[in-house]
Amino acid sequence: DVVLTQTPVSLLISLGGQASISCRSSQSLVHSNGNTYLHWYLQKPGQSPQLLIYQVSNRFSGIPDRFSGSGSGTDFTLKISRVEPEDLGVYYCLQRTHNPWTFGGGTKLELK
Amino acid sequence: EVQLVESGGGLVQPGASLKLSCVASGFTFSDYWMSWVRQTPGKTMEWIGDIKYDGSYTNYAPSLKNRFTISRDNAKSTLYLQMSNVRSEDTATYYCTRAGVFAYWGQGTLVTVSS
Repeated sequence: DVVLTQTPVSLLISLGGQASISCRSSQSLVHSNGNTYLHWYLQKPGQSPQLLIYQVSNRFSGIPDRFSGSGSGTDFTLKISRVEPEDLGVYYCLQRTHNPWTFGGGTKLELK
Repeated sequence: EVQLVESGGGLVQPGASLKLSCVASGFTFSDYWMSWVRQTPGKTMEWIGDIKYDGSYTNYAPSLKNRFTISRDNAKSTLYLQMSNVRSEDTATYYCTRAGVFAYWGQGTLVTVSS
């Protein structure tokens, strides 16, 4: 199975600051069709996960441009600029390139 | 508005069976693959399986395929997860989600396996 390693496990950020979360895969996430099925989610306290970014860098509907995704192959990054209180929670990456689909362990974003 | 509402969770004894449901609304259910995902008390996320839009194909996490069965009733816009021979490690919140990019999630239903 593909292992997704997220770092850091937790992140202390000041309001208005920038956060960067890494998701590294144990193998390339480039599908045979050329697409890369690496997605990012935020789970706010007490809520279900919500999709932020799909296929590495595409923001889902309604997601502000403070969120951006980048990367290729095995290394991927989610950046959150100008952190706001509603950005707090646990961030997960998910790969749907190789069956079985797997999640990263999560990164908890907290206020400094 | 897309809505997914899970139900059927609760306290269940080891070795028992349980069937979870997920009622969908706000989209044409029969057009979409659907999935189940679970989250352990320690917050680990685990994909359980997918089912094709017409129910003709299912795809499971290898570690669960012998005990879990996903099905659907498109006439009722409902997704199901049949769990059998449950174990303590199956204790988790179970979510249904629209497959693909998992853009929409239900609120989850908690299953606790304990004697």
